[in-house]
Amino acid sequence: QKEVEQNSGPLSVPEGAIASLNCTYSDRGSQSFFWYRQYSGKSPELIMFIYSNGDKEDGRFTAQLNKASQYVSLLIRDSQPSDSATYLCAAAGNNRKLIWGLGTSLAVNP
Amino acid sequence: EPEVTQTPSHQVTQMGQEVILRCVPISNHLYFYWYRQILGQKVEFLVSFYNNEISEKSEIFDDQFSVERPDGSNFTLKIRSTKLEDSAMYFCASSVGLASFTDTQYFGPGTRLTVL
Repeated sequence: QKEVEQNSGPLSVPEGAIASLNCTYSDRGSQSFFWYRQYSGKSPELIMFIYSNGDKEDGRFTAQLNKASQYVSLLIRDSQPSDSATYLCAAAGNNRKLIWGLGTSLAVNP
Repeated sequence: EPEVTQTPSHQVTQMGQEVILRCVPISNHLYFYWYRQILGQKVEFLVSFYNNEISEKSEIFDDQFSVERPDGSNFTLKIRSTKLEDSAMYFCASSVGLASFTDTQYFGPGTRLTVL
C-alpha cells in the first residue's frame, strides 16, 4: 500500500517565525512531491512541487527532498496569520495519480 | 488567472439516485482528474482522463462511477446509484500535460455531495 504520512499537528508558531512541515512516503517509485494548502471547507491550493534531491525555494517557501530517506519537508519563513491552514503533502509517480497525506494543521499566532 | 470551475457547489440527493457533478477544466489543459475527500479523511484519487479516455482509475472508481467529456469544455462525473458512503467533497483538477514529474494539478472549488 502506497502511503504518505504527515504529523497531523496542530503545529503552532508565532508570527514571523519559521514553520517546518514534514512528510514521509513509502513508494520509492514516487517521482515528484507537491505541497498544497487547504483552508477549512476549501479545495487544495498548490504551493510548490519538487522532484530533485535538495532544496527548492519559492518566495517565503522552501521545499526539501531527500529520496534516500523518503522524506519531504516544507519551510515557511516569516510566517503570517494568513498562513494558518492545513498543509497537504502529495506524491506522484509516472501515472500522475496523487497520493495524499492527511495534512498538518498550522496555526500562526499574532 | 484561469481557474477550474465546478457546479453545483452543494448537491443533496437521496440514496439510490443518480448524480452528475460538472467541471470546466482550464482551457489549455489536457489531463483531467476527479478526487474526493470524505470529511476528516485524506484526499483520494478517483480517476484521470486524457485524450477522451480514462488513463488511470482507483479501486474506488467502480461500475457505479463514470466520467465523460460531453463537449469541448465540460468534464463530468456520474454516480449511478448513490450510497451513504459517497457523501464527500468531490474535487475536479486539471493539468497541462507536461512530463509527468513536472505536471502540476490545479483544483476546482469542489462539490459537496450529501447522500441522505
